[in-house]
Amino acid sequence: AQKVTQAQTEISVVEKEDVTLDCVYETRDTTYYLFWYKQPPSGELVFLIRRNSFDEQNEISGRYSWNFQKSTSSFNFTITASQVVDSAVYFCALSWDNYGQNFVFGPGTRLSVLP
Amino acid sequence: KAGVTQTPRYLIKTRGQQVTLSCSPISGHRSVSWYQQTPGQGLQFLFEYFSETQRNKGNFPGRFSGRQFSNSRSEMNVSTLELGDSALYLCASSLVSGNTIYFGEGSWLTVV
Repeated sequence: AQKVTQAQTEISVVEKEDVTLDCVYETRDTTYYLFWYKQPPSGELVFLIRRNSFDEQNEISGRYSWNFQKSTSSFNFTITASQVVDSAVYFCALSWDNYGQNFVFGPGTRLSVLP
Repeated sequence: KAGVTQTPRYLIKTRGQQVTLSCSPISGHRSVSWYQQTPGQGLQFLFEYFSETQRNKGNFPGRFSGRQFSNSRSEMNVSTLELGDSALYLCASSLVSGNTIYFGEGSWLTVV
């Protein structure tokens, strides 16, 4: 069965610190997709990144970077020089090819960036 | 390009009543899925529609139902509301299966 684990329930950091959010996934499918979403207090989940199972290249986008390692089934997310605006709940998600849309989300990590 | 639009944003209902939530997907997106988010259970998949057909359904009782119209707009309905149905209901759309899903702001439902 597909499953996503985010072991960190809550993290607090001081502004400008680097922070890494962990994500471990389980799937038997060879083709799958990994995602990160950000949920600010307003409620809307904002898409951050999508990675497919064949692309293990790390990705950097501004202060955000992602480390995908199939060997450890992990897809970790690092925010460099965190800012107060980064405070939100972050969800890691897994999707796989099958009839219809199949998504499973992790429980989320609440990040608080203190000024 | 307009995002996913959900209405209403906030509503309060009484136990036993029924509620209908609406979702307009991003233009061109044909897949619409619904999720329930609660503090205790997290994000849980309700169902997904594509071209007016329900393709997948999560593990929710029959009180939860949905439909999709020919213009891809979708509605979900919850009948005989219970206190435990209080949640944020999120709609998401995508072009096709396996693509990124984009979420609306959600409908906050409170059952009293």
